[in-house]
Formats: sequence, structure tokens, C-alpha cells
Amino acid sequence: DTGVSQNPRHKITKRGQNVTFRCDPISEHNRLYWYRQTLGQGPEFLTYFQNEAQLEKSRLLSDRFSAERPKGSFSTLEIQRTEQGDSAMYLCASQGGRGDQPQHFGDGTRLSIL
Amino acid sequence: EDQVTQSPEALRLQEGESSSLNCSYTVSGLRGLFWYRQDPGKGPEFLFTLYSAGEEKEKERLKATLTKKESFLHITAPKPEDSATYLCAVQGGSQGNLIFGKGTKLSVKP
Repeated sequence: DTGVSQNPRHKITKRGQNVTFRCDPISEHNRLYWYRQTLGQGPEFLTYFQNEAQLEKSRLLSDRFSAERPKGSFSTLEIQRTEQGDSAMYLCASQGGRGDQPQHFGDGTRLSIL
Repeated sequence: EDQVTQSPEALRLQEGESSSLNCSYTVSGLRGLFWYRQDPGKGPEFLFTLYSAGEEKEKERLKATLTKKESFLHITAPKPEDSATYLCAVQGGSQGNLIFGKGTKLSVKP
């Protein structure tokens, strides 16, 4: 069990650019979640996959955001035409077993928009 | 609307000074209440899950309890290495996602 891995750890980009983050969940965990966390706040839910199917999307997930989980393994989160307000820590979590089991988080990707 | 409120926002303790952190919640059909610890620049680290009122879990100097409206994280004789932000989250109804509070930032001075 190597834990949830996220890359890159830090991303600095100019406003208007596209960025993509990757999450590798704990192996054999079938559920994968994306959250966003800003300073002084708790994580906020963005979207959720069970295997390769995207089952839930938050109202926070504007049409500039897209997420995929091909073959039910790793996941990517892309933000198009980044804005200042997109600056945050993007966290990925994976979960195995029953749907009420703990979610295990990676160390996140910190996005800074110049 | 499902909601989680944590208090206090910040807590400063002397080493060995026991205290409690509060997590008040409103949720439709609680499936689980989760406590996490988060260090600066890191992701949340899982501590406990509580599923029903009256349940208690313990780990080293930490003990979590649950009622129908709130949960407490009791810290007994804390050490400086317990300094972190402690997050509470609930999962309700048919949802898969967690709803988090803003956290309590704990500082333990030697």
C-alpha cells in the first residue's frame, strides 16, 4: 500500500493557461474523489468516480473543469482557461470497500495562478 | 442543507494540558463521521470513523466520541508533535462525498 500519489505537487501558471493534474489512487480502490481546499477552509467536494464512471459532480465544477478516470485506474483533472480564483490545493482521495469506509487522501497539487 | 461547524477555530495548549475539540453537524441520514489530521502542505490523514451515537474510538492520546448532534475529539496530555489542524467531516444520505468543517488549528507548546 503506497498511498495516494498526486503529481505535480506544485503548479504555477499564468491566467488563461490550461493545467492538468494526475492522481494515482491506492491500488484496487474503486472509488476516487477530487476536492479543492483554500487557505483556512476545509476541503470542498468537486467530483467522484466509481471505477471509470463519473457519478457525481459538484456545482463548484464549472464547465472549465473536466475529470477523467480511464480504465478505472489513475485520474486526471483538467482546468481550462485558468482564473485567479482557481488558485487552491487540489486533493485526491481514494476509497475501497463499502461506500462509508474512510477516504484516504494524497498530499495534493498546489495551483498558483499568476 | 448538510453542514459541519468546528470550534474553536484555534487552540493553544501547553504540553500535558488536556482539552477537547468540538464538531457540530446537521446531516440527512448520517452514514459516518470522520476525523482527520492535516499538517501544513500535506493532505488530510485519516484518524477515526464513527458510525452511530454513543460510539467511541481511541488512538494514543486521542479519543473521539459521537452524539446525534456533535462529536468531540479529546486530547489527553498532548505533546508538541500533536500540533496540526484537525478536520471533521460527515457523509450523509446516499452521498459518497464528505462535507468538511473548517478545522481547528491546534498548537501545543513545550
